[in-house]
Amino acid sequence: KAGVTQTPRYLIKTRGQQVTLSCSPISGHRSVSWYQQTPGQGLQFLFEYFSETQRNKGNFPGRFSGRQFSNSRSEMNVSTLELGDSALYLCASSPGLAGLEQYFGPGTRLTVT
Amino acid sequence: AQRVTQPEKLLSVFKGAPVELKCNYSYSGSPELFWYVQYSRQRLQLLLRHISRESIKGFTADLNKGETSFHLKKPFAQEEDSAMYYCALKVKAAGNKLTFGGGTRVLVKP
Repeated sequence: KAGVTQTPRYLIKTRGQQVTLSCSPISGHRSVSWYQQTPGQGLQFLFEYFSETQRNKGNFPGRFSGRQFSNSRSEMNVSTLELGDSALYLCASSPGLAGLEQYFGPGTRLTVT
Repeated sequence: AQRVTQPEKLLSVFKGAPVELKCNYSYSGSPELFWYVQYSRQRLQLLLRHISRESIKGFTADLNKGETSFHLKKPFAQEEDSAMYYCALKVKAAGNKLTFGGGTRVLVKP
């Protein structure tokens, strides 16, 4: 099976802009989770989607949002970008909500200038 | 709220020496504990989980509920073990949400 894919891999945006990142899970996986990775804060959970519904949400401002489509592909959106949003955004997929393992994508490196 | 602490940011050992990565957690219930590893230029991947009680690539980890720890051990480190290691916790009521520790970089010297 193909692994989790994320597009784009690299992105440079300016403060105040918005950005949309995409994640395609492993075929058959219905849960998609998003994480933000920064040198200062480490890996932090953003949200999880299952069957097109947000199931869990981390402690991030409302500028961070996401959605999931019927084919389980997911997008996350960050509006009004700030310099502190510069990070590696990782997506992970799992077959269900009680998965024993999550499979991570390569990440999207977002740089905000 | 749950929390995972990895006190060592960097562990440097010689090939063939034992290595132990510490992980402590705070959670009042019964969590699921995992170790994830990220090798250079590779994606984050699961190394092992406490529920399986398995040994992967020579690594073992025991969940100690009394000390709320889940330390990762390997008796004889190899150069290919050089990587970033993350301890992570999951609680049943929170789906697949993982709470990660800050990570420990392991460097195995020849």
